[in-house]
Order: sequence, then structure tokens, then C-alpha cells
Amino acid sequence: GENVEQHPSTLSVQEGDSAVIKCTYSDSASNYFPWYKQELGKGPQLIIDIRSNVGEKKDQRIAVTLNKTAKHFSLHITETQPEDSAVYFCAAVNEKLTFGTGTRLTIIP
Amino acid sequence: DAGVIQSPRHEVTEMGQEVTLRCKPISGHDYLFWYRQTMMRGLELLIYFNNNVPIDDSGMPEDRFSAKMPNASFSTLKIQPSEPRDSAVYFCANEDMRGGYTFGSGTRLTVV
Repeated sequence: GENVEQHPSTLSVQEGDSAVIKCTYSDSASNYFPWYKQELGKGPQLIIDIRSNVGEKKDQRIAVTLNKTAKHFSLHITETQPEDSAVYFCAAVNEKLTFGTGTRLTIIP
Repeated sequence: DAGVIQSPRHEVTEMGQEVTLRCKPISGHDYLFWYRQTMMRGLELLIYFNNNVPIDDSGMPEDRFSAKMPNASFSTLKIQPSEPRDSAVYFCANEDMRGGYTFGSGTRLTVV
């Protein structure tokens, strides 16, 4: 089955700086890669996604990149704000969704 | 659309008691998933349904866990008997149009 690894497990950045979270996956058949943000007391919420036929996608301050050959994908958050503090999960989908282990992002004011 | 609705939000029960968690999925979405989240194991897929039929229950930890989906608008996850190690947040989710999932707010279960 699919195995998704995510790094780092914790990340602290100064407000206004950028944050990068990286994931790798094992199943080359995976073709959809969503990213979720989970705030305290809530379920994970989709923030951005990318399909295997696209290398990069951007939505305002967040962007995702995908390297299918290397089976790597990354989340980039620019101009971080305190409300970006949360746990972020990457995921890979091939019939079913497999989550990474999560990154706790803390934005330091 | 109210999204995926789970109840109760919090449940505290004594070891050995039966616990039933409930989920009302989004209308018209064929797939329904039950996840468990703990600090140690992260998000674990327990079971999922397609058109009310259980497809893969390989993630259900033990026979003490069971799940049903009697119709397209309701699903339950039952633990009988409950144990302290079952303490976790349980999420129900639907597959969305893009292939990702929409999650409910979860049920925080504490077994004492």
C-alpha cells in the first residue's frame, strides 16, 4: 500500500517569513495530492490540492509543487500570519487517501 | 449544505461500556470513511463504505469495533466493550468531487 512521509514534524517561523513542508510517497499510481489544515478542536480541512499532471499550483499565499519522478511534493506558505498556526497534513490518493504524519506549524508574532 | 455532521462532540464513558458514534454524511456522496486520530498514530483509516456497503475494514483494530451504514444518510461506529486505549478523536469523512475528503468536526472519546 501507499506510504506517505512528512517532514518536519514541527516547524516554527517568524511572522512574515515563509514555511515549507515536504512529503514523499511510495505508490507511483497515486495521482491526487491534497493538503489539509487542522485547527484545534476541528477536523482537517482541505486548503489546496494538486493532480499528477500538474507540477505547481498556487492560491494566494499558499503553493504546492509536485515532482512525480522523485515522488516528492511540498507545501509553501509565504508571508505567514498567526492564523496559519495549525497542524498540516499532506496526503496521497490512489483509490483511497493516505495521510502523512502531520506538521505542527507555529507562527511566532 | 451543513457538511458532515458528527455526534456527540464529546463522549466520556467507563471502561467496558458500549459506545456509539454517529455520522450524517453529505447528501449524494457515495463514499464514507471513519478515521481515528491519536497523538501516537496520527490519522488512521478504520473502515470505508461505498454506496452503504463496507469496502475495506482492515483498519478496524479489533472485533470490539463495528461500523454500519444502514442508509445513505447515516452511519455508526460502535465500540463494545470500550477500553481506555480507545480514547481518541474519531472522524467521519465523505469523498468530495475532486477526490479529497470533507471531514466532520469529530467525536472526542475518553474511556476512563
